[in-house]
Amino acid sequence: DAGVTQSPTHLIKTRGQQVTLRCSPKSGHDTVSWYQQALGQGPQFIFQYYEEEERQRGNFPDRFSGHQFPNYSSELNVNALLLGDSALYLCASSPGQGAGETQYFGPGTRLLVL
Amino acid sequence: GNSVTQMEGPVTLSEEAFLTINCTYTATGYPSLFWYVQYPGEGLQLLLKATKADDKGSNKGFEATYRKETTSFHLEKGSVQVSDSAVYFCALSHIGNEKLTFGTGTRLTIIP
Repeated sequence: DAGVTQSPTHLIKTRGQQVTLRCSPKSGHDTVSWYQQALGQGPQFIFQYYEEEERQRGNFPDRFSGHQFPNYSSELNVNALLLGDSALYLCASSPGQGAGETQYFGPGTRLLVL
Repeated sequence: GNSVTQMEGPVTLSEEAFLTINCTYTATGYPSLFWYVQYPGEGLQLLLKATKADDKGSNKGFEATYRKETTSFHLEKGSVQVSDSAVYFCALSHIGNEKLTFGTGTRLTIIP
């Protein structure tokens, strides 16, 4: 059973560019969450998708947007990249909205903005 | 709002030493509490969790007890191994709201 997968593993962009990161959830999971982990920090919640809709959003600007597809996979888009967007972006999936369902994390995409 | 505070790191121990990593939280209601571990170059893995007061989560020799009265969820292991070297994150979420709030992480290094 494949776990959560993310692509690409590494990415280098320049300021002002746009980036798209991809995530495939664990089999049987329909909820996908995205987190940003800056170097030396804990992950910060960006947003969560369920049934192809954004259900919750953290304290991130509108430059951060996402999408969930009918097969539950998800994309994270970041526009007008800033140097401060350099981080490890983690995708997590879980089996639906509910009582303390465990989130399973992918290996992450490391984004470097120059 | 919700917050998680972890003990400052890094922590360096000798193999077979006793480990404690402190974690306290601030939250409304009764959150679920988690410890995640991040090995070098990898994503986060769930180590253990507890969903109500006085519950004890355990896995791979690690334990943590949900203490409502002290709002704490300290991680312990009786005898650490070199393979336990990693970054450990304490986190919380609420039932029906799966957003995880993480602490800043504690880097643990075990010396043979």
